[in-house]
Amino acid sequence: QQQVKQSPQSLIVQKGGISIINCAYENTAFDYFPWYQQFPGKGPALLIAIRPDVSEKKEGRFTISFNKSAKQFSLHIMDSQPGDSATYFCAASYYGGSQGNLIFGKGTKLSVKP
Amino acid sequence: DAGVTQSPTHLIKTRGQQVTLRCSPKSGHDTVSWYQQALGQGPQFIFQYYEEEERQRGNFPDRFSGHQFPNYSSELNVNALLLGDSALYLCASSRDRWDTEAFFGQGTRLTVV
Repeated sequence: QQQVKQSPQSLIVQKGGISIINCAYENTAFDYFPWYQQFPGKGPALLIAIRPDVSEKKEGRFTISFNKSAKQFSLHIMDSQPGDSATYFCAASYYGGSQGNLIFGKGTKLSVKP
Repeated sequence: DAGVTQSPTHLIKTRGQQVTLRCSPKSGHDTVSWYQQALGQGPQFIFQYYEEEERQRGNFPDRFSGHQFPNYSSELNVNALLLGDSALYLCASSRDRWDTEAFFGQGTRLTVV
C-alpha cells in the first residue's frame, strides 16, 4: 500500500531552535518529495521539494535531507520563528503512466514559542 | 497573477443533498486535481482532470464526480451527502500533467448536517 508516515504529530520548539520533522515512505517508485506548509483556514503552500538523485536541498532556513536506502526524508527548519507556527505535511509522488498524484503524511503541528 | 481560486469558501448542506464546488486554476496551468482534507488529517487525492477528462482517481466512491471546462476550470460534485463528507475540499493545479509541482487553493469548507 502506498503510504507516507510522518512524525511527530506535534512539535514545540523555542524561538531560534531547530525544528525537525521526519517522513518515511514505502513505494520505491516515488520520485518527488515535497513539503507543504499550511496555516489555519488556508490551503497548503509548497515550501521545498527534493528528488531522489540528491541527498540534501537547502532553501533559506529550510533544508530537506533525503536517505534513499532508508526510504526516509526529513525537514529541518533552522532558527525557527513564531511565524513558522503552522502544520507541515510531507508528501510523495511518482509518474505512474501519467502525472502522479500527491500522497500526503498526516501532518505535524509546529508551535514556535517566543 | 491570481493563484488557484475556489468557491464558495464555506458551505453547509443537509445529508442526502448534492453539492457543487468550483475551482479556477492558476494562470498557465491546464491540470486540476481535487483533494479532501478531513480535520486533523493530510489531504487525500480524489481525482485529476486534464484535457477535460478524468485521468486518475483515488479511493473515492462514484458519488464524487467532476468536470473540467475548456478554460481549464473545474467542478467537483458530490451526491447523496453523508456526514462523513464534511471536510475541506482543496483544488490544486499544475502546469501540465507531467508537472508534479502543485499549487493549492484556499479550499472550500463543507459541513454536512
